Amino acid sequence: DAGVIQSPRHEVTEMGQEVTLRCKPISGHNSLFWYRQTMMRGLELLIYFNNNVPIDDSGMPEDRFSAKMPNASFSTLKIQPSEPRDSAVYFCASSLGSRLAGVPDTQYFGPGTRLTVL
Amino acid sequence: EDKVVQSPLSLVVHEGDTVTLNCSYEVTNFRSLLWYKQEKKAPTFLFMLTSSGIEKKSGRLSSILDKKELFSILNITATQTGDSAVYLCAVDARLYNTDKLIFGTGTRLQVFP
Repeated sequence: DAGVIQSPRHEVTEMGQEVTLRCKPISGHNSLFWYRQTMMRGLELLIYFNNNVPIDDSGMPEDRFSAKMPNASFSTLKIQPSEPRDSAVYFCASSLGSRLAGVPDTQYFGPGTRLTVL
Repeated sequence: EDKVVQSPLSLVVHEGDTVTLNCSYEVTNFRSLLWYKQEKKAPTFLFMLTSSGIEKKSGRLSSILDKKELFSILNITATQTGDSAVYLCAVDARLYNTDKLIFGTGTRLQVFP
């Protein structure tokens, strides 16, 4: 299995531009998570999906951020317009998404996208 | 508010030393505790702990959970330079349909030859 795939690996853009980050989860995984990591705030959950449906987006910083999951094998995180404070590493993770009692669920992370907004 | 606290924030040791990393938590609905290792890229999964007192072991790494005192430790014996990384502790605090992992800020371990 190739694991979680993210693209691009690095993105440098100017303030005000639209940025789209992409993620392909592990095949067969039902849950997909978007995280942001910075030195100041550590790893923060932005939003997650289960069976392609957004379940909890309370971590999305503001309306400039949006995420979609049109099918089980693809998700996007979009920032429009981007700002310098959005500079961070954005991780996508996936898990089986098991809701069975007593069945723990492990998240597997993609390599991340390092975003720099100038 | 659910939270996960790791200590120390940073640790510098020499090869061959043994280290203990700490993770304490306060969550409403505990399901499991996970340890991840993060080098220069994505966090990679190490252990998942669900029951108190049962040690998980993988080579020189081991971890144990205490659900009464709400903490876990990660031990690394005979450290090597390749162990240098940030070690993240996360708690699965699922409630109803939430699958959130709550992460600590991590412990940065540096192992020098």
